[in-house]
Amino acid sequence: EAGVTQFPSHSVIEKGQTVTLRCDPISGHDNLYWYRRVMGKEIKFLLHFVKESKQDESGMPNNRFLAERTGGTYSTLKVQPAELEDSGVYFCASSQGYNNSPLHFGNGTRLTVT
Amino acid sequence: AQSVTQLGSHVSVSEGALVLLRCNYSSSVPPYLFWYVQYPNQGLQLLLKYTSAATLVKGINGFEAEFKKSETSFHLTKPSAHMSDAAEYFCAVITNTGNQFYFGTGTSLTVIP
Repeated sequence: EAGVTQFPSHSVIEKGQTVTLRCDPISGHDNLYWYRRVMGKEIKFLLHFVKESKQDESGMPNNRFLAERTGGTYSTLKVQPAELEDSGVYFCASSQGYNNSPLHFGNGTRLTVT
Repeated sequence: AQSVTQLGSHVSVSEGALVLLRCNYSSSVPPYLFWYVQYPNQGLQLLLKYTSAATLVKGINGFEAEFKKSETSFHLTKPSAHMSDAAEYFCAVITNTGNQFYFGTGTSLTVIP
């Protein structure tokens, strides 16, 4: 089975620009999560989709971040306009329906805002 | 609310020595606990999980962890470290009523030949 894939693996953009990160979850996984890790700190929850619906977006830092999940398949996370503090590694994870189902992670997108 | 504390951001052990990575959790309801490992330039991989069955959980690559409710701990151990164990390890908690995983800050394990 194909794992969770994320694109791009790295992105370097200037402050004020826009970046869109993409995540393709494991086929059949209804739950899709976005997490972010700023260097040296904990992996922080951003939001959770169940199919195409946002179940919980309490971790989204501000309205410069917009996540979508078209048709309950892949998801995108757009940052517009990017700020320096948005730098970090953005992880996508997916899981099956029951809530203690482990997360399956992608390799992450390393975002650097200069 | 739930949280996880990992004591020691960096741990070094000699090859063949015991590995002990510490994790303490805070949860007002019974938790589910997980250990993940991240190798360089890769995503997080599940090592093992505790979901209220046996308190001693065995995972992949010879790792195991013991859930101790009285100590609110879920420490990760391996009897004999191998060079390939060098990676970053994350402890995580979720509850049966929650939908978020809460992660610790991670422990970077170095194995010295």
